[in-house]
Amino acid sequence: GDSVTQTEGQVTVSESKSLIINCTYSATSIGYPNLFWYVRYPGEGLQLLLKVITAGQKGSSRGFEATYNKEATSFHLQKASVQESDSAVYYCALSFYNQGKLIFGQGTKLSIKP
Amino acid sequence: DMKVTQMPRYLIKRMGENVLLECGQDMSHETMYWYRQDPGLGLQLIYISYDVDSNSEGDIPKGYRVSRKKREHFSLILDSAKTNQTSVYFCASSLTVNQDTQYFGPGTRLLVL
Repeated sequence: GDSVTQTEGQVTVSESKSLIINCTYSATSIGYPNLFWYVRYPGEGLQLLLKVITAGQKGSSRGFEATYNKEATSFHLQKASVQESDSAVYYCALSFYNQGKLIFGQGTKLSIKP
Repeated sequence: DMKVTQMPRYLIKRMGENVLLECGQDMSHETMYWYRQDPGLGLQLIYISYDVDSNSEGDIPKGYRVSRKKREHFSLILDSAKTNQTSVYFCASSLTVNQDTQYFGPGTRLLVL
């Protein structure tokens, strides 16, 4: 089946430092998946941070970037300089056209040290 | 303002009791979803609804049923709740099943004693 792996359950980064959250996927469904990063702030629902539907392309939003690497089956999330307001849980996910469902990684909780 | 709402936000039930979780959306989205999330796991799809009275099982439907009588409302029902159904439940909606962006509610935290 299809799956998404986020190796870090929790990450702590000092304010203004760089961030990388790892995401790899395994897909047995036909075709290439669409890839997503969702973010969940405390007390709120998940919201889409960025998505990329074409292999090799980069998505960006609110200073975050992720590149769809089909050779490495990866979609790592990066930010050059984190802020306290970035504290949240980040979820990597994939979907295939016409399947509807999202397949999620387990999430990575990001904490920012002042 | 695009919004998905869930009620209640927190719920405590005893094993064997019935549970009703409600979800609403104000975007006239065709497709709605119920997911659950357990510690250390990603969200898992319970049911998907393509429109009114058009529902399909997801990956973990056992012990759950759903109801969608109006496009804007999607209910998740647990008949005779079990302790292993303690979880956080998320509802989501998307314009159609082919539109990938899903909008999520804030979640319902259910504890079954």
